[in-house]
Amino acid sequence: DAGITQSPRHKVTETGTPVTLRCHQTENHRYMYWYRQDPGHGLRLIHYSYGVKDTDKGEVSDGYSVSRSKTEDFLLTLESATSSQTSVYFCAISSSGQGNTIYFGEGSWLTVV
Amino acid sequence: SQQGEEDPQALSIQEGENATMNCSYKTSINNLQWYRQNSGRGLVHLILIRSNEREKHSGRLRVTLDTSKKSSSLLITASRAADTASYFCATESGYSTLTFGKGTMLLVSP
Repeated sequence: DAGITQSPRHKVTETGTPVTLRCHQTENHRYMYWYRQDPGHGLRLIHYSYGVKDTDKGEVSDGYSVSRSKTEDFLLTLESATSSQTSVYFCAISSSGQGNTIYFGEGSWLTVV
Repeated sequence: SQQGEEDPQALSIQEGENATMNCSYKTSINNLQWYRQNSGRGLVHLILIRSNEREKHSGRLRVTLDTSKKSSSLLITASRAADTASYFCATESGYSTLTFGKGTMLLVSP
């Protein structure tokens, strides 16, 4: 398994509260990604990072922010959680942004009530 | 929006049979990748095929790519119960990141 750790793995939170998901890698890969997976939608990219402090938006970035202050950590923050953000969130890493395998973490199950 | 779309959405076969899943996409690509996801787990990379390749093999997996038809197929030969999972194609175009399809759920019965 690729050295990717997501935390927390499961969380229930209330609407309107901020939530931060953490992704930690031990592979020293440059690229890190946050995806969400929902029934009927497959995986959709939220944000990604191509280096420390370098991030960009994905397909479904509204309501999410990210930060990457160290190579190994990529944080996903839901500023004010909504029920539509109930999902499974996957962190992924790759050594380059083009033509390379992406390695996935085990997922974080988030329920917003 | 999804670039790749897998077909069928679900496939049920017996052990020992072959399983074929298809992926269609809309725009030109640099490469196409197939991933597998066991229930409750993260995705695992299976195989990557570049736009200038037509076929690749990896163990019991065979992937074909037809860029003129903008389609790919994943063949799993001699399926086993352990192959039960969801399979996703993902496409890379230009300088963009990978875009995943919605997946095919494969059930292999003993």
